[in-house]
Amino acid sequence: KQEVTQIPAALSVPEGENLVLNCSFTDSAIYNLQWFRQDPGKGLTSLLLIQSSQREQTSGRLNASLDKSSGRSTLYIAASQPGDSATYLCAVSGTYKYIFGTGTRLKVLA
Amino acid sequence: DGGITQSPKYLFRKEGQNVTLSCEQNLNHDAMYWYRQDPGQGLRLIYYSQIVNDFQKGDIAEGYSVSREKKESFPLTVTSAQKNPTAFYLCASSMDSPGQGNTEAFFGQGTRLTVV
Repeated sequence: KQEVTQIPAALSVPEGENLVLNCSFTDSAIYNLQWFRQDPGKGLTSLLLIQSSQREQTSGRLNASLDKSSGRSTLYIAASQPGDSATYLCAVSGTYKYIFGTGTRLKVLA
Repeated sequence: DGGITQSPKYLFRKEGQNVTLSCEQNLNHDAMYWYRQDPGQGLRLIYYSQIVNDFQKGDIAEGYSVSREKKESFPLTVTSAQKNPTAFYLCASSMDSPGQGNTEAFFGQGTRLTVV
C-alpha cells in the first residue's frame, strides 16, 4: 500500500531564505508526482507536475525534483516571501487515484 | 474562465438528513474525484469517476453516494448513514485517469460540511 510522508510537518523561516520541502513515498511504481499549495479554508492549487520519466520541473521560484528509485521528491522555494505562507501537499498517482501526504505548513516571516 | 466550481461553500446538516454537494467543471475532463479532508490527515478518496456514466468506490465510500450523468457534473450525496460527516470536501478533475495520459489534477475551492 502506497504511503506518502512529508517532513517537516511545519516550518517557519525568515523572508528571503531558500528552503526545501520533502516528500517521500513507499512504492516507486508511480505515474507522476504533483505538488500543491493550500491556503487556509481553500482548495488546492497545482504548482508543479512531474511525470515519472522526468527528473525535475521548474516554475518561477519553484523547482521540484523526483527520484523514483529512492522514493523521494523535493520542492525547492527560492527567495521565500510572506505570500508563500501556506500548506504544501505532495501527491503521487497510482492506477486510478492520487495519494496525498499530510502536508508541510510553511510560514514565512516578514 | 475554465475551472471547477463547488457549491455551496458552507453547508450545515441536521442529524438524519441527506445533503448533496455540487461539483461542476468546464475543463472537458473525463476523470473526476471526491476527497475528504480532516484536520491532521491527508486527503482521502471517497469516489472517483473515469468517464461519464461510470464511477467507483474509493477508500472511504461508506455513507456516501455519487452520480455521473453528465461529463461536467459529479455531485456527492452525504447520507444519514455517514456517522461522522463533518469535514472539508474537495472535488477534483483530470483530463485522464492516472496511468492513462494527462493526469494533472485540478481542484475546486471546497465545501465545508458541519453537522448541527
